[in-house]
Amino acid sequence: DAGVTQSPTHLIKTRGQHVTLRCSPISGHKSVSWYQQVLGQGPQFIFQYYEKEERGRGNFPDRFSARQFPNYSSELNVNALLLGDSALYLCASIVSGRANVLTFGAGSRLTVL
Amino acid sequence: AQKITQTQPGMFVQEKEAVTLDCTYDTSDPSYGLFWYKQPSSGEMIFLIYQGSYDQQNATEGRYSLNFQKARKSANLVISASQLGDSAMYFCAMREVAQGGKLIFGQGTELSVKP
Repeated sequence: DAGVTQSPTHLIKTRGQHVTLRCSPISGHKSVSWYQQVLGQGPQFIFQYYEKEERGRGNFPDRFSARQFPNYSSELNVNALLLGDSALYLCASIVSGRANVLTFGAGSRLTVL
Repeated sequence: AQKITQTQPGMFVQEKEAVTLDCTYDTSDPSYGLFWYKQPSSGEMIFLIYQGSYDQQNATEGRYSLNFQKARKSANLVISASQLGDSAMYFCAMREVAQGGKLIFGQGTELSVKP
């Protein structure tokens, strides 16, 4: 089974532009979470979606939005990009079980110039 | 408020030796889970080990063990018999049971294994 897949792996944008990042969870997993990891820091929670509904939102401005599709894949959208949005964006799906472990994709590395 | 603290920005260990990475946490919720992840330079977060707040015994997964001291609110990761491939960033994380997919991560510890 494929793990969590994310695209694109790398991208460069300029300030003020918009970006869309995509994530496909592990097959059959209905929950997707998004995290932002700025260089030198731990990941920070942005959103969680379950069955196409938002189940949690971190402390991020309204420029950040997301959605989940019927096939459980997800998109993270960021509008009006700032230099500070440069980061690794990680997507995770939850492996159901005692620990409900989050399994992460390899991430999308965004550079804003 | 939930908080994870990792006070060691960087650690060095000799190959085949054991190393302990420190993690303290803060939460007012009695039900929570603690996780350790490894992040190589490639960027992917790799799950290592989990400890539930009600677990009576310390978790172990192969060469990884978690030294859980609930009263001290610490959840240190012990890696035995270090290997060169263990060189990476290590993150401690916590989730309150009701929070679903939301993990709170620490700042991380960069481990370097020397031959």
